[in-house]
Amino acid sequence: DIQLTQSPSTLSASVGDRVTITCRASQSISSWLAWYQQKPGKAPKLLIYKASTLETGVPSRFSGSGSGTEFTLTISSLQPDDFANYHCQQYNSYSPGYSFGQGTKLEIK
Amino acid sequence: QVQLVESGGGVVQPGRSLRLSCAASGFTFSNYGMHWVRQAPDKGLEWVADIWYDGNNKHYPDSVKGRFIISRDNSKNTLYLQMNSLRAEDTAVYYCARDRGTGYFDLWGRGTLVTVSS
Repeated sequence: DIQLTQSPSTLSASVGDRVTITCRASQSISSWLAWYQQKPGKAPKLLIYKASTLETGVPSRFSGSGSGTEFTLTISSLQPDDFANYHCQQYNSYSPGYSFGQGTKLEIK
Repeated sequence: QVQLVESGGGVVQPGRSLRLSCAASGFTFSNYGMHWVRQAPDKGLEWVADIWYDGNNKHYPDSVKGRFIISRDNSKNTLYLQMNSLRAEDTAVYYCARDRGTGYFDLWGRGTLVTVSS
C-alpha cells in the first residue's frame, strides 16, 4: 500500500503569508495526486488534481507542484477563508486502492 | 442541482449491521465511478470502497474487506454501503464521493455519522 505523509501537521500563519504544505509518497505515484480543502463540519472540496491542475473555480493563489514522491501545495497570499484543513490523496492507477495524507491544519497565528 | 446526499447513519451496537445510502442528483449517475470515504472524529480521511460506473468492479481496503459491501442502483441514482460486523473503530462520518474518472473525487456529499457503541 502507498503511504502519504504530510508536513507539517499544523501550520500557523497570518493573512497575506505565503505557505507551503508538503506531501511525500512511500513510492512513486507519478503525478497522480490531488489536494482537498476541508472546513470543520464540512465535506472536503477538490482544489488540485494531477499534482498541479487547478480545479475550476478555485482561486489562482492556490498552486500545486511535484511528481514522483514529493509534492507541495502552495497558497501565495493567505486569505481569511483559507484557514482550514488540507489533505493530499494519491490515485496511482497501477496500485489498487486510494490513500490520503493525515492532514494539515492551517490556523491563524 | 448537482449533489450527493447521504443517509442511514446512526448509533449501532458492535457486531451489528447498518446500510448507508447516497442519493445522487443533477448529473448522469450511471456515467461515474463512486466511492465511500470515512473520517473518524478528529482524524484524517480514509478510503472505504469504490465501485465502477456499471457496478461490475468493486474494491476495498483491508480494514473493511469481508465486512463492507458497496453496491449501486443506477435506475434509482443511488449508491449503497452495507456495513456488517461493525466495530468501534468504524465510528466515523461516512461520505460518498464521485470519481472524476481517474481516481480523484470532484463531488462529495455532506456525510452521515455512524457511531458504533454499546
